[in-house]
Amino acid sequence: QSALTQPASVSGSPGQSITISCTGTSSDVGNYNYVSWYQQHPGKAPKLMIYDVSNRPSGVSNRFSGSKSGNTASLTISGLQAEDEADYYCSSYTSSRNPVFGGGTKLTVL
Amino acid sequence: EVQLVESGGGLVQPGGSLRLSCAASGFTLSDYEMNWVRQAPGKGLEWVSFSSSSGSTIYYADSVKGRFTISRDNAKNSLYLQMNSLRAEDTAVYYCARDPWGASKAFDIWGQGTMVTVSS
Repeated sequence: QSALTQPASVSGSPGQSITISCTGTSSDVGNYNYVSWYQQHPGKAPKLMIYDVSNRPSGVSNRFSGSKSGNTASLTISGLQAEDEADYYCSSYTSSRNPVFGGGTKLTVL
Repeated sequence: EVQLVESGGGLVQPGGSLRLSCAASGFTLSDYEMNWVRQAPGKGLEWVSFSSSSGSTIYYADSVKGRFTISRDNAKNSLYLQMNSLRAEDTAVYYCARDPWGASKAFDIWGQGTMVTVSS
């Protein structure tokens, strides 16, 4: 199973909105509504931000939202804050039952 | 507090073995499916293995199949990963992760990770 495709980096200014894309295939993102997103600060463990494409776990800011169209899922962060600067990874359930992660996107808050 | 704490990492020579442990607290391990996920230095996340809540159903990534064994002791609230025939490419931080919705759809609780370095 190949990794999902994410942009290597995105950036935005405080208060702006950014979107990170995650492109897969009909064997993963396109066929299942089981896309999740994780935030990882340097030296820290990943943190679940979105599950089942668009659901937020309790405690996650509503500035984070997820969506999907075809084989591409997206994570949108609105009202960017300095603390949002981190690496972001998408993941998807797959037809082989083994999950696959994206390569990660480094978000820089300018 | 719901928490996962990994241990057992370290430096091992190629071809060697290591056993990782993951201690769960604040919840009952037997109620959850569990996974191991690893991250090579400076790289992305890679799923490694899955265990059903009872341990009766197990899956592995192709990269570790035949070399790694996942197991659990629900009475001790602990998850394990036995790693044999280690290779340089197994060098990574290993995380255990809770799987509340099952089938590795998403992981809501992660441990802090334990570093495994395979080098001569």
